[in-house]
Amino acid sequence: AQKVTQAQTEISVVEKEDVTLDCVYETRDTTYYLFWYKQPPSGELVFLIRRNSFDEQNEISGRYSWNFQKSTSSFNFTITASQVVDSAVYFCALSEAGRYGGSQGNLIFGKGTKLSVKP
Amino acid sequence: DSGVTQTPKHLITATGQRVTLRCSPRSGDLSVYWYQQSLDQGLQFLIQYYNGEERAKGNILERFSAQQFPDLHSELNLSSLELGDSALYFCASSVGGSPQETQYFGPGTRLLVL
Repeated sequence: AQKVTQAQTEISVVEKEDVTLDCVYETRDTTYYLFWYKQPPSGELVFLIRRNSFDEQNEISGRYSWNFQKSTSSFNFTITASQVVDSAVYFCALSEAGRYGGSQGNLIFGKGTKLSVKP
Repeated sequence: DSGVTQTPKHLITATGQRVTLRCSPRSGDLSVYWYQQSLDQGLQFLIQYYNGEERAKGNILERFSAQQFPDLHSELNLSSLELGDSALYFCASSVGGSPQETQYFGPGTRLLVL
C-alpha cells in the first residue's frame, strides 16, 4: 500500500545551521509524483516542489535543495543556513498515476516534521 | 496567496449539528479536493471532484457529503457532528485533477465541535 513516512517528528536548530528533513515513501506504481509542502504557524499549506518518478535530478532553489533517490525511496529536503522564518511544519506527499486507470490525483501525506529555528 | 478561497475561516458548533464549508478554486482549475487535518490522523484526503463530477473518494464518513457546482465552487457538508470531527478542513484545486499536477491549498476552515 502507498505510504509516506517522515520519521522526524520535531527538529530544533539554531539559525544559520543546515537541516535535512527526511521523507521515505512506499508505492507499487512505477509512475508517481512527490511533493513538499510547508505549513507555517498561520496554518495554510504552501507548495514548495514537485518531482516525478522519472526525474532523479536534484534540485536547488535558493537555500532549499531536494535529494531524490529511487534506490532508497527517499525524497529528502535540506534547508541551508536556516532562518527563523523557516519555522514551520513540513509535509512530504505522494500521488500515484494510473492506479485505477483514471487520473485521480489525491495526495498521500506524511505526518509532517515540525522545524523550529531559534535565533 | 494561492488563489483558493475558503469560507468561513472558523466555525464553532455543537454536537449533532450540520455545517457547510465552502471553497472556490483558483481561476481556471476544474478539480477540487477536500482534506481533513486532525492531530491524531494527520492530513487525510476526503473527496475529489472534477468539473462537477465526483472523481475519487478517500476516508470520507457517510455523515459527510460534498458537491461541486456549475461555477466550480464546492461545498463540503458535515452532519450529525461529533467531537472528533473537530479539525482543519482544507480545500485544494488543480487544473485537471491529474496526479502530476500541483494542488494549491486554501487557507482552511477550522471547525470546533463542542
